[in-house]
Amino acid sequence: AQKITQTQPGMFVQEKEAVTLDCTYDTSDQSYGLFWYKQPSSGEMIFLIYQGSYDEQNATEGRYSLNFQKARKSANLVISASQLGDSAMYFCAMREGYYGKLTFGQGTILTVHP
Amino acid sequence: KAGVTQTPRYLIKTRGQQVTLSCSPISGHRSVSWYQQTPGQGLQFLFEYFSETQRNKGNFPGRFSGRQFSNSRSEMNVSTLELGDSALYLCASRLGTSGGHTDTQYFGPGTRLTVL
Repeated sequence: AQKITQTQPGMFVQEKEAVTLDCTYDTSDQSYGLFWYKQPSSGEMIFLIYQGSYDEQNATEGRYSLNFQKARKSANLVISASQLGDSAMYFCAMREGYYGKLTFGQGTILTVHP
Repeated sequence: KAGVTQTPRYLIKTRGQQVTLSCSPISGHRSVSWYQQTPGQGLQFLFEYFSETQRNKGNFPGRFSGRQFSNSRSEMNVSTLELGDSALYLCASRLGTSGGHTDTQYFGPGTRLTVL
């Protein structure tokens, strides 16, 4: 079974509008972390935002916020006021346990139109 | 503070050869993880090193190996290259000393390996 599922292969958004990228996860652990990364065409993975399983508040980092619904096992990324530079591949990832292994979803390609 | 660096950035090899990729973590980070990214399989975890010891390993054949040096720099080696090894290899570092999940991994720019 997929541990991380991103159901949107591609998304389009108009500049300055908000967009939500979906992510659902599957784990039996009580303690885990959820991460979102951005990968531009250059290839580098850029960390955007983190949410811990015990965090009661949704994480926010500037224009990025994470809509965390633990009971539904979803961790959707919300990008407000989209910019042309936001066009990239976005990955949701989960870390279970103490070690560094991240399990990634298949990614969503976001295209921002002017 | 300098980010994670990887060398070389691009590499072309032929089947049967071996290759070594290098990763220098962010200063102070003691954990280095390696990932393989391909269009078909996506991002897959290879292994993690901490204080020169492999702590965790993904589901890859023994042709894939790694090591970490006392300065936390890490190398990854792939022997007897196959066409399917063509991929973007990403290295990520984190502090590695704190428990739990808040210890964010920061990635390098990757090494793009092409096997002909």
